Amino acid sequence: EAGVAQSPRYKIIEKRQSVAFWCNPISGHATLYWYQQILGQGPKLLIQFQNNGVVDDSQLPKDRFSAERLKGVDSTLKIQPAKLEDSAVYLCASSLVTSGTDTQYFGPGTRLTVL
Amino acid sequence: AQKITQTQPGMFVQEKEAVTLDCTYDTSDPSYGLFWYKQPSSGEMIFLIYQGSYDQQNATEGRYSLNFQKARKSANLVISASQLGDSAMYFCAMRERGDMRFGAGTRLTVKP
Repeated sequence: EAGVAQSPRYKIIEKRQSVAFWCNPISGHATLYWYQQILGQGPKLLIQFQNNGVVDDSQLPKDRFSAERLKGVDSTLKIQPAKLEDSAVYLCASSLVTSGTDTQYFGPGTRLTVL
Repeated sequence: AQKITQTQPGMFVQEKEAVTLDCTYDTSDPSYGLFWYKQPSSGEMIFLIYQGSYDQQNATEGRYSLNFQKARKSANLVISASQLGDSAMYFCAMRERGDMRFGAGTRLTVKP
């Protein structure tokens, strides 16, 4: 079974530029998550989708971050414009359903550096 | 409020020995799940083991076992017979009502 796919793996941009990340979850997984992991910290949830609907985006900085999952499968996360503090690894994860017992499986992440 | 606490920023263990990584959590929800993930230097989060709040027995997966003490709200990870490839960051996480929170992580270094 293929895992969660993410691209690109690395991205370097200058502040105020825009960037987009792509994620393809495990086949059949209804729930998709985007996390931000700043160096030295644990991942922090940015947004959670159930199929193509948003379940939780309470920690997404909506003035600059946006995400979509139009057909309930793959998803894109965009930052526009980027700030220095956005430098982090952006992890995508998926799970079969949304419940306390369901395991999330993570992709390899996209390492973003904002100069 | 911090819901997941990992008090050990770094741990060292000799190859082939066992090591325990600590994790405590805070919740008032009777239904929750506890997870441990491994993050090597490559960056990918690898699922290791899961414990449900209603599970009577401690979870085990190969060399990994979870020492679940519900009354103390602790979910320590035990790695037996450490290998050099176990050197990585280890994150404890708790999921309640769909909300997943991670601890700050413990960096484990296995010495040859």
